[in-house]
Amino acid sequence: DAKTTQPPSMDCAEGRAANLPCNHSTISGNEYVYWYRQIHSQGPQYIIHGLKNNETNEMASLIITEDRKSSTLILPHATLRDTAVYYCIVRVASSNTGKLIFGQGTTLQVKP
Amino acid sequence: GAVVSQHPSRVICKSGTSVKIECRSLDFQATTMFWYRQFPKQSLMLMATSNEGSKATYEQGVEKDKFLINHASLTLSTLTVTSAHPEDSSFYICSGSPTGGHTEAFFGQGTRLTVV
Repeated sequence: DAKTTQPPSMDCAEGRAANLPCNHSTISGNEYVYWYRQIHSQGPQYIIHGLKNNETNEMASLIITEDRKSSTLILPHATLRDTAVYYCIVRVASSNTGKLIFGQGTTLQVKP
Repeated sequence: GAVVSQHPSRVICKSGTSVKIECRSLDFQATTMFWYRQFPKQSLMLMATSNEGSKATYEQGVEKDKFLINHASLTLSTLTVTSAHPEDSSFYICSGSPTGGHTEAFFGQGTRLTVV
């Protein structure tokens, strides 16, 4: 699976949009971009994933560049409960989906 | 989304004893589940793949005789930390995914193990 690069930490004001970048310049054509987050002392939570089109769900939006070498996770209106470590993972979508290789992620601190 | 439940959420044990952690898929069947370990301020590290009805597959550097994995049914995988030592103190997390239509993983809430 392709390696990803994320900034180690980011701050965001409550109520504002949080934009979390991820570089995955070695991504292969059949690899998807997945985002998970981990709130302190909990198991990771799935957020969203995409292949090449932008995706949106009730939690977030995922913007993938046309060359697919980077992406941005957008939390449109960050709340204090969004404070967590956010992991960007690229992998082939398959039935073996629980096997994930986690990088260091981005620690997002949402401030009042 | 699908629900994965771990038990216990927190356990303290004495050095030299064994501890069993259960991971259950509550609303789906999982032929494969995964076990991770997370030390403080570090990311999750995959330990092993638990296969229903067959032997687990361990990642490099993980002792299979120390971390016993049993996946006896399609909804239950267990991790037993044998002869635990303080350096085994960690946050253990399992995950699984329903077959057919789901490509995301669902994680348990984790088990905080403290060996004293």
